[in-house]
Amino acid sequence: QMQLQESGPGLVKPSETLSLTCNVSGGSISSSNYWWGWVRQPPGKGLEWIGSIYYSGTTHYSSSLKSRLIISVDTSKNQFSLNLISVTAADTAVYYCARQLGVGRWAFDIWGQGTIVTVSS
Amino acid sequence: QSALTQPPSVSGSPGQSVTISCTGTSSDVGGYNIVSWYQQSPGTAPKLMIYEVSNRPSGVPDRFSGSKSGNTASLTISGLQAEDEADYYCSSHRSGPTLVFGGGTKLTVL
Repeated sequence: QMQLQESGPGLVKPSETLSLTCNVSGGSISSSNYWWGWVRQPPGKGLEWIGSIYYSGTTHYSSSLKSRLIISVDTSKNQFSLNLISVTAADTAVYYCARQLGVGRWAFDIWGQGTIVTVSS
Repeated sequence: QSALTQPPSVSGSPGQSVTISCTGTSSDVGGYNIVSWYQQSPGTAPKLMIYEVSNRPSGVPDRFSGSKSGNTASLTISGLQAEDEADYYCSSHRSGPTLVFGGGTKLTVL
C-alpha cells in the first residue's frame, strides 16, 4: 500500500523560502505510470494546484506560482520536493503531496496527510 | 488563474439525490474529458471520487456518478447518506498544461 508523507518546517519567515519534501513508501517514484504533485489549501479556503513532476524531472507548474517555484525529484531517495521562494502570508496553507494518475490523466488518487505551513515573522 | 465555478452549498435528505455542478470553459472542462471530483471531510486530505468525468476508483460506492455536458461537469450522489456530508471539489485539466480546481461545495445532509 503506497503512502506519501510530507515533511518540512511548519513556520517560515516572510521573504524566505518554503521547502517541503514528500517521501514515497510502498512503491517506486520511478514508475512510468504516475506523476507526482503538490496541492495547497489556505485556511478555510479551497484547493489550489501548485505543480507536478515526472520521475524524469519534467515539470508542470501553476502559472500563478511559476516565477517562485521549483519542484524536483530524487529517485535515489524515492522522494520529491517543493521550493517556493519569497513567501508571504498568502502562502500560509496546508500543503499536500499526492500521486497523480498516469501521464496526462490529471487526477490525484493517493494523498499525504498534509502539513501546515505558516508564514509569519 | 480563475477557478472553476461550483455552488457554495447544496443539501439533501437521507435517501435523496443531489447534484453538484462545476462550470468552466472550452479551455478546461469543455475541452477535455479530464474532470475529477474529490470529497474532503474536515481535517482530512481530499479523496478521489471520480476521474476522467465518470470513472470511479476502486472502493468508491456506485452511488457516486459523474457526467459532463459542454462546459459543465456534474457529480451526482444518489441514496444520500449521513457520511456523505463533506466538501466536494471538482478539478479539470486546462490547456497550458495546468490543472484548475473548483471553489468547492459544502454538502449538508439534513
